[in-house]
Amino acid sequence: AQSVTQPDIHITVSEGASLELRCNYSYGATPYLFWYVQSPGQGLQLLLKYFSGDTLVQGIKGFEAEFKRSQSSFNLRKPSVHWSDAAEYFCAVGPLYSGAGSYQLTFGKGTKLSVIP
Amino acid sequence: DTGVSQDPRHKITKRGQNVTFRCDPISEHNRLYWYRQTLGQGPEFLTYFQNEAQLEKSRLLSDRFSAERPKGSFSTLEIQRTEQGDSAMYLCASSPGRGGAKNIQYFGAGTRLSVL
Repeated sequence: AQSVTQPDIHITVSEGASLELRCNYSYGATPYLFWYVQSPGQGLQLLLKYFSGDTLVQGIKGFEAEFKRSQSSFNLRKPSVHWSDAAEYFCAVGPLYSGAGSYQLTFGKGTKLSVIP
Repeated sequence: DTGVSQDPRHKITKRGQNVTFRCDPISEHNRLYWYRQTLGQGPEFLTYFQNEAQLEKSRLLSDRFSAERPKGSFSTLEIQRTEQGDSAMYLCASSPGRGGAKNIQYFGAGTRLSVL
């Protein structure tokens, strides 16, 4: 069965510092990988996605992620964090192809990011 | 494009009552998903619709839960005889039916259910 591990439950960084959020996945087939962000009481907003090609993908709000197949990782990075980035971040994996038609996602438990002004 | 809309945003109910939530997907998205998110956890898949057909259900979807999408547009999720363990955020997502974007799910703001 597929699974996603986000080892860090809570990370605190200073505004302007760099950020890396870790994500490891276990998946039997070729995965489709996502990072979503969730502000308190809100739904999920897609930051970026990867399914093939260049292993470094760019997303919105200055975020990027790197897919490393050998490490089964898809870590999220940002060079300089802004106070508005404080939120919860979720890594997710889904099937690239689906015979049943469902592309349901499996999520990690999330990493809460706090930003010190 | 108005995004995925969910109603209500918050629902407080007493144990044993029935509740119903509504989801309006992005127009022309024929795939619709329901997820449940409990405190400190990521969303967990509940069920999937392609047009009006419910094609997949998670084992998390007990007999007290039922979902419909009668005309292939909006969807409802009903919980009968609510229990305190049903307290969670219920998220709806939709995606296009075809093309490279069919794997990409767009989420609504969710309905937060509190069972007293």
